[in-house]
Amino acid sequence: KNEVEQSPQNLTAQEGEFITINCSYSVGISALHWLQQHPGGGIVSLFMLSSGKKKHGRLIATINIQEKHSSLHITASHPRDSAVYICAVRYMNTGNQFYFGTGTSLTVIP
Amino acid sequence: DGGITQSPKYLFRKEGQNVTLSCEQNLNHDAMYWYRQDPGQGLRLIYYSQIVNDFQKGDIAEGYSVSREKKESFPLTVTSAQKNPTAFYLCASKGSSYSNYNYGYTFGSGTRLTVV
Repeated sequence: KNEVEQSPQNLTAQEGEFITINCSYSVGISALHWLQQHPGGGIVSLFMLSSGKKKHGRLIATINIQEKHSSLHITASHPRDSAVYICAVRYMNTGNQFYFGTGTSLTVIP
Repeated sequence: DGGITQSPKYLFRKEGQNVTLSCEQNLNHDAMYWYRQDPGQGLRLIYYSQIVNDFQKGDIAEGYSVSREKKESFPLTVTSAQKNPTAFYLCASKGSSYSNYNYGYTFGSGTRLTVV
């Protein structure tokens, strides 16, 4: 079954805190994406991972293929990081079709 | 700048009416996708098109129809057969190359449809 689970569902943090959002999936994947959805609804793709770790500014994404788990970390969080973060996977048996987690709503308080 | 344009941002329709959501891209992308987002649920695939004049049903295609007569355009019609049409609809496209960390995928800003 092609399921994607994210945790936590909601997260409130103080500015400057280190934040971790988790994503688990069920079967072998060809790629995992971390997406950011702004309050207006628009989505930006942050990372695509098939192995290892990627870093972009204050964002770090890791993936453990054996454990079928990925994490998105935000260092020195800022109120402008407030958004919904969505994990999306492309399973090996479904080509380019995405399966999405339900998202983690992050609020960073000044 | 290249991107995806979805219009309108907010749309209200009466129950029983068909409504068409627009999705236009100037990225020269071959593949385009329509997703639906409901509160507390992940995005779900409605239809996708890998090439002009061809499209495939996604997981929740019932009550929807699409066309792909031009590479740039992939309109979605929400028909009266769709039981719960009120939702946020997101269009996306994929090309063969990528930049700006979009990894080949670009998403529109979405259309929020409310049926009353």
